[in-house]
This record gives sequence, structure tokens and C-alpha cells, in this order.
Amino acid sequence: SQKIEQNSEALNIQEGKTATLTCNYTNYSPAYLQWYRQDPGRGPVFLLLIRENEKEKRKERLKVTFDTTLKQSLFHITASQPADSATYLCALDRSNTNAGKSTFGDGTTLTVKP
Amino acid sequence: GAVVSQHPSWVICKSGTSVKIECRSLDFQATTMFWYRQFPKQSLMLMATSNEGSKATYEQGVEKDKFLINHASLTLSTLTVTSAHPEDSSFYICSAREGDFVNEQFFGPGTRLTVL
Repeated sequence: SQKIEQNSEALNIQEGKTATLTCNYTNYSPAYLQWYRQDPGRGPVFLLLIRENEKEKRKERLKVTFDTTLKQSLFHITASQPADSATYLCALDRSNTNAGKSTFGDGTTLTVKP
Repeated sequence: GAVVSQHPSWVICKSGTSVKIECRSLDFQATTMFWYRQFPKQSLMLMATSNEGSKATYEQGVEKDKFLINHASLTLSTLTVTSAHPEDSSFYICSAREGDFVNEQFFGPGTRLTVL
């Protein structure tokens, strides 16, 4: 069956370090993958989208990689700050059409300590 | 960026009553809207997909007669939880997509439903 796994439920790091979050999938051939941030009691906020033919995407302190051979995406936050503390969700889409539905992982809760 | 609003942000109701939640795209036309529910410390569970002017497509295990979805315009979708029971208490989140090209979903802030 199709499965999306995000590494450890919780990740704690020190301010200034790089946080690396993992999203692994099985029995899936996503057309593209997205990362979202969700704060408690709020809806997710879009961060980055990467297509199946792209290896890496960057946006300010954020970097996403997508390895379709390993069936894995890595999400990096460099020079992390306490304000980066949140739950991060990866989402996979199989379709390139606007009707494509995203399947979400369970999320990794990141805590950045000052 | 695109903004999606939800109303109400929270609601408490008695068992057996119906509750309507509105989802609006404020500055774009949403060809597709999605409704999710989320339990504490769990991820988003897709309930249904709705396209303007057509019937919603429900995910397996979601009762369409209990969770009524109406996508009356390109900027408004509503979810009505009929005859709500305590087990329906959850965080309901809508999202919207714009246009015909690959892009992200814009999520609303969510609605916390508590059924007594």
C-alpha cells in the first residue's frame, strides 16, 4: 500500500544549526512534492514545491531535495531560529492536473532552542 | 499571496445539531477546493474534493450525507456537518487551488468544532 513517512515525530536542535527533515515514500510515483509549515491551531502554510524532474529547490534559508530513485525528499532549514519551531508536513501529488489531490505525511515537529 | 478564509474559527454545538463552515478564497478564483479534518497530533485527512458547480467527490469512508459540501461559486465552498455527534469534534481545514497548472494549495486557518 502507498505510504508516506516523515522522520521522527519530533526534532530538537540548537539555534543556528541546520535542521534536516526527511520524507520517504513507498509504492508511489509523485509528479511533485510540497513542504508546508503548520503552527498549532492553524492551517498549513505552503513553503516549497519541487517537481519530479528537479533535484533541488531553494528559497532563502530553505532547501528541498527530491530523489526519485531513493523515493525521498530532504527539507533543510539553515541558520535555524526559534521562530522556525513548528510542524512541517510533506505532501505528494500524483497528478499534474489542477484536480490532483495531495497526500500528506504525519509531520515532524521541529523545536529550535535558543 | 493568495488568502483563504474560514468562518467560524471555532464553534461549540449540542449533539444532534448541524453546523455550517464557510471557506472563501479572497483574492483569487478557486477552481478546486478541498476539505480536510485533522485530529490532535495527526496529519490532514482529506475528506472531499469539490469543483465549482459540480458534486463533491468524497474519499472512501466519508459519509456524503453527513458531510454536505456545496461549492456554489469560484470563491465559496461550504461544509455542513449534519446531526453532529461528539466523535465529529475535530479541526476542519479547507484549501483552494487556483488555475489549471501545477501549484500549491492555499489553506484556510481552520475551524475547531466541538460537539457536546
